[in-house]
Amino acid sequence: DAKTTQPPSMDCAEGRAANLPCNHSTISGNEYVYWYRQIHSQGPQYIIHGLKNNETNEMASLIITEDRKSSTLILPHATLRDTAVYYCIVSPKAGGSYIPTFGRGTSLIVHP
Amino acid sequence: DADVTQTPRNRITKTGKRIMLECSQTKGHDRMYWYRQDPGLGLRLIYYSFDVKDINKGEISDGYSVSRQAQAKFSLSLESAIPNQTALYFCATRKGQGSGELFFGEGSRLTVL
Repeated sequence: DAKTTQPPSMDCAEGRAANLPCNHSTISGNEYVYWYRQIHSQGPQYIIHGLKNNETNEMASLIITEDRKSSTLILPHATLRDTAVYYCIVSPKAGGSYIPTFGRGTSLIVHP
Repeated sequence: DADVTQTPRNRITKTGKRIMLECSQTKGHDRMYWYRQDPGLGLRLIYYSFDVKDINKGEISDGYSVSRQAQAKFSLSLESAIPNQTALYFCATRKGQGSGELFFGEGSRLTVL
């Protein structure tokens, strides 16, 4: 089973920030938080990942709580094209025998 | 060109037929995965391979087999397709070192009548 919990759906007005939460209360010290999104039925696309510090790239920001038990993906100015299913997973950075496991994610609908 | 290419993108077949879905990648990654997605559900792992000589069953391997012909190629076979194997199939790759993100193909939609 996936080690993360996400709300099944959220909505957001276009131009506003979309804040997508993820609970990962059993995260291990060497596990990172990764976010992916899947637009319609396309292949999931990597967005961002982090360990304990907040991260930002051209797509989004990732805020991880100090205890690392939860995180929030922030899309600062959501557009209609951000309508997608967003997946949060935890994983060691690379190597080892870890298998990436996906839950059902959060379906984000951005409305005009 | 896409880094991870899946063929065919769409396939309709009949019960009992043998089907092969192919995946090739140009990223030089050693790890490759096959996932299945059903409507409204997340991705479920079918098989995975950490290198050419390493093949492992995933969560839902029954009714499927795989072949890692080369580092860049990982094929999924349905020996005798059945209707409940109708789904969207994704291949993914991951580097064994470094940042560790997954790279997905665009998917292969399979319909078994």
